[in-house]
Amino acid sequence: AQSVTQLGSHVSVSEGALVLLRCNYSSSVPPYLFWYVQYPNQGLQLLLKYTTGATLVKGINGFEAEFKKSETSFHLTKPSAHMSDAAEYFCAVSKIQGAQKLVFGQGTRLTINP
Amino acid sequence: DTGVSQNPRHKITKRGQNVTFRCDPISEHNRLYWYRQTLGQGPEFLTYFQNEAQLEKSRLLSDRFSAERPKGSFSTLEIQRTEQGDSAMYLCASVVGGSPGLNSVAFFGQGTRLTVV
Repeated sequence: AQSVTQLGSHVSVSEGALVLLRCNYSSSVPPYLFWYVQYPNQGLQLLLKYTTGATLVKGINGFEAEFKKSETSFHLTKPSAHMSDAAEYFCAVSKIQGAQKLVFGQGTRLTINP
Repeated sequence: DTGVSQNPRHKITKRGQNVTFRCDPISEHNRLYWYRQTLGQGPEFLTYFQNEAQLEKSRLLSDRFSAERPKGSFSTLEIQRTEQGDSAMYLCASVVGGSPGLNSVAFFGQGTRLTVV
């Protein structure tokens, strides 16, 4: 079975500071990995995904994530936080084959301090 | 706007009543998923359609829940005899492609928030 653990349900950073949101996954097969962002009362928007190839993945809004197989991690980073980055962030994993249903972590709420 | 439309956005119902939600996916997407998200949690998979065929259902989908996608386009999710524990955000997602692949990205609707009182 696949699972995702997001370390820290709430992260707070100052505007302009580095954002680091942690995600570890468990999967018996090579996974697809995703980060989604959710603004209040909205659906989920894809930030970035890892499928195959380059392990450093760049996404929208200046975010990037690095797939580290040896550490089973897929941490999300952004060099300089902006007030508009305040939202809930979800890491997710899916199998390459089959239904490709997403298994989500519990989410990390990012707060940006002025 | 992802192109996936869900209606209604909000629904308040009394315990024991039946409710139905609708999802209109992106038109060329033949795979459709339903997820449920409770407060402070990540979404959980409920069920999955490829075209009109319902191919997988989660154990979370009790007998009171039923989903359909009659013509392989829009989908409905019905909850019968609602309970307070059904209160959640119900999210629909659609994916392009008939088989898994590198372009298999799920586009989510804005969700239907159900409150059972």
